[in-house]
Formats: sequence, structure tokens, C-alpha cells
Amino acid sequence: GAGVSQSPRYKVAKRGQDVALRCDPISGHVSLFWYQQALGQGPEFLTYFQNEAQLDKSGLPSDRFFAERPEGSVSTLKIQRTQQEDSAVYLCASSLARGGAYGYTFGSGTRLTVV
Amino acid sequence: SQQGEEDPQALSIQEGENATMNCSYKTSINNLQWYRQNSGRGLVHLILIRSNEREKHSGRLRVTLDTSKKSSSLLITASRAADTASYFCATDEGGSYIPTFGRGTSLIVHP
Repeated sequence: GAGVSQSPRYKVAKRGQDVALRCDPISGHVSLFWYQQALGQGPEFLTYFQNEAQLDKSGLPSDRFFAERPEGSVSTLKIQRTQQEDSAVYLCASSLARGGAYGYTFGSGTRLTVV
Repeated sequence: SQQGEEDPQALSIQEGENATMNCSYKTSINNLQWYRQNSGRGLVHLILIRSNEREKHSGRLRVTLDTSKKSSSLLITASRAADTASYFCATDEGGSYIPTFGRGTSLIVHP
């Protein structure tokens, strides 16, 4: 596609519910990133994939957060047993190559509200 | 943790005026990028400047980088109401290739 696509656009989850957020990167983009952005804050790094390999997951806040990219294209961020502090916008970005030489293209994000 | 820190946190100007935002960072970088985010939307890449560059232009945007001071500035000339958005700088911490963002500058341009 022409850009990075994220779905759903909005998600309301009851506390304790599991959610899955999807990211469709630009075709051929090797690098894929997930970020969490709280209201009024900058995006905080969660995890990074190069093709199907998850090279860095140091930003995942707890073991309730899990991300995968099994075929090196579409990625899913899963949050188990959601809690209110998980409410945020989750952004996905992709890049043509490792490193920032080509910049990063962001999706519009998924706004998660845990009630 | 946030590497880049933007200053000021908020900026309010009249249409036609110039807007200047600054970004400071802590460690060595390979490149620094500026992004714009409209309310409720994703980030839009504006400009990338490499550590061996000092200045870059793109339309009404001018970015400078001073690696000795670990700082960058974004100048928007002849601002328009449509420039109203939050602006973020992102740096890669010492070659990690993972962009790290600051808290952003909220710019309001009054028509």
C-alpha cells in the first residue's frame, strides 16, 4: 500500500480483556517499530523488528505485551489482561532499511481506551 | 526514556510570523529527524539531518544541527494556520537506529 495502515483505528476494551492491534507496513519495508503515546507525551519505543526477527523488545512495559511479525510484513501487538494505564495511542512505523537514512513512515495509530 | 527534549513546550503565534522550535539531546547521534503530528493523527516525517550536516532546507522549513551543543532547531517561515500541530524531534541513541522522541512542541498559529 501507499502508507502504513493500522487497525482498528479505535478500540475500547474492558479492563482484563485481551486486545490485538494490527500494523500493515509499506510493502518491502524491512524495519518495523511499535510505539506507545500517552496523551500530551511523545511516542515511547516499545519494540523493533527487522524482517521477522524481533531485535529489540526492551520498551515493552510488562510481560502482558507481546508483538510478532511472523512473515516479515504484517505485525500484531497483543496486550493481555488490559489495564487502565494501557490506555494510549499505539503507533506503528516502518522504514525501508535498517537505520534512519530513509526516514520512518508512521501509521495513524490505534487509540486504545481501557474502561 | 526520552532522548530529545523540545523547547518551548508550547508556542502561539500569528499567521505570517516565523516559528522556531529547539531540540536538545544527550548522546551522540547518527541523524536527527523532525516530525509533525496533527491532533489525533500519526506522525508525518518532515526532514532528516545527518550528524555531518549543519543545515537543511525543505520548502518553508529550515533545520540546523549543532553537534557540539547537542541541539537542533526547526524554523518554520511565514507560518500558516495549517501549521498548527505538535512538532517532535527524534534521535537515534548512539547508533541504535531506534528513533527516540521528545515530548514535543505544541504550535498554534492564529489566522
